[in-house]
Amino acid sequence: GAGVSQSPSNKVTEKGKDVELRCDPISGHTALYWYRQSLGQGLEFLIYFQGNSAPDKSGLPSDRFSAERTGGSVSTLTIQRTQQEDSAVYLCASSFEVQTTQYFGPGTRLTVL
Amino acid sequence: SQQGEEDPQALSIQEGENATMNCSYKTSINNLQWYRQNSGRGLVHLILIRSNEREKHSGRLRVTLDTSKKSSSLLITASRAADTASYFCATEAGGTSYGKLTFGQGTILTVHP
Repeated sequence: GAGVSQSPSNKVTEKGKDVELRCDPISGHTALYWYRQSLGQGLEFLIYFQGNSAPDKSGLPSDRFSAERTGGSVSTLTIQRTQQEDSAVYLCASSFEVQTTQYFGPGTRLTVL
Repeated sequence: SQQGEEDPQALSIQEGENATMNCSYKTSINNLQWYRQNSGRGLVHLILIRSNEREKHSGRLRVTLDTSKKSSSLLITASRAADTASYFCATEAGGTSYGKLTFGQGTILTVHP
């Protein structure tokens, strides 16, 4: 079946604007994860969902970041009042259940000018 | 912070040679996963090895896990130019780290034709 998809693939925004990043997991996967990859910080965990619940939000860098998942499927990561340090590739992954193989999408490259 | 530390940071070999990458981690884990990332693309899952397993094979890939030393290795045999990529190990622990992959900084592998 289809893999994890993310949109947009690239997003350029101005500092202070809000952005929404979307993730469509593999059908039937109950767990969904967001990570961020940047040159200075490597690959960082942001948040994960089990169904529609987010048991662990500890990785979100600030209260400008939020995420939701609806219907146990699509997830949206929202960054409010973007800053230049938010520039990174945002990766989404899904797995059949937690503690099983995580399959990653192609990522959204966010550039904040 | 990165739990996994990988070495070498960069590896350059000739086609047909074997490539070995090592990963060390700090805390107890439930499983360890290896991923490949081609430049600017998403992460491709290679192998998942659980904490009660010592070795796994997949095609030309061989992964070992030594939980007493908190280390893992990835061996790619008979390398090809197409194996050129960055390779990451990622650990998944329990407790407060449940559901979260913690990545190493990666090894950049270059295979010369």
